[in-house]
Amino acid sequence: DTAVSQTPKYLVTQMGNDKSIKCEQNLGHDTMYWYKQDSKKFLKIMFSYNNKELIINETVPNRFSPKSPDKAHLNLHINSLELGDSAVYFCASSQSGTAYNQPQHFGDGTRLSIL
Amino acid sequence: KNQVEQSPQSLIILEGKNCTLQCNYTVSPFSNLRWYKQDTGRGPVSLTIMTFSENTKSNGRYTATLDADTKQSSLHITASQLSDSASYICVVSELYDYKLSFGAGTTVTVRA
Repeated sequence: DTAVSQTPKYLVTQMGNDKSIKCEQNLGHDTMYWYKQDSKKFLKIMFSYNNKELIINETVPNRFSPKSPDKAHLNLHINSLELGDSAVYFCASSQSGTAYNQPQHFGDGTRLSIL
Repeated sequence: KNQVEQSPQSLIILEGKNCTLQCNYTVSPFSNLRWYKQDTGRGPVSLTIMTFSENTKSNGRYTATLDADTKQSSLHITASQLSDSASYICVVSELYDYKLSFGAGTTVTVRA
């Protein structure tokens, strides 16, 4: 039983396309996150939702739009994909915000390659 | 400049040996410090979380230390195993904020 599951695992697409990545957690957590890990393996927060409310929105192009239909799901939609969007995108969840000493549980990532 | 710096960038050790990874941070005010292990092709997995008042915390053969005065932490791996080969990431949380500051990670390779 996967705690945080992301789909798809691999995504190869052409520049200019629109794509979505889905994330679901079955841990009953209140907070979910999207991270981007670049080729240098550096993780950067993109968005965070707490009980379906957006609480973190880093400097991310507005081509990226998160959607949280319920607290167990946080999807990421990307419009007009660019070469620089190629990276591994990780979804994570935690019982509450990270200021409260709760561990984050990560999915195994979605590897996005733009041709 | 990144608020969390890790060293070394990478290291190679022989199976059965010990090693220590370093993490220095400037995040303030401080809430907690985390160490994650990330295997190749997988998401990070939490090893330890330490708050201001904790100096040391263990998780099996992993022992993390924290000196909140000097803003330094270390992760010690005892009797390394091949399965310890991974990237180890130091993450610091700011008080009253939801954000986390990530280090670039230390890549550990354990050889037989």
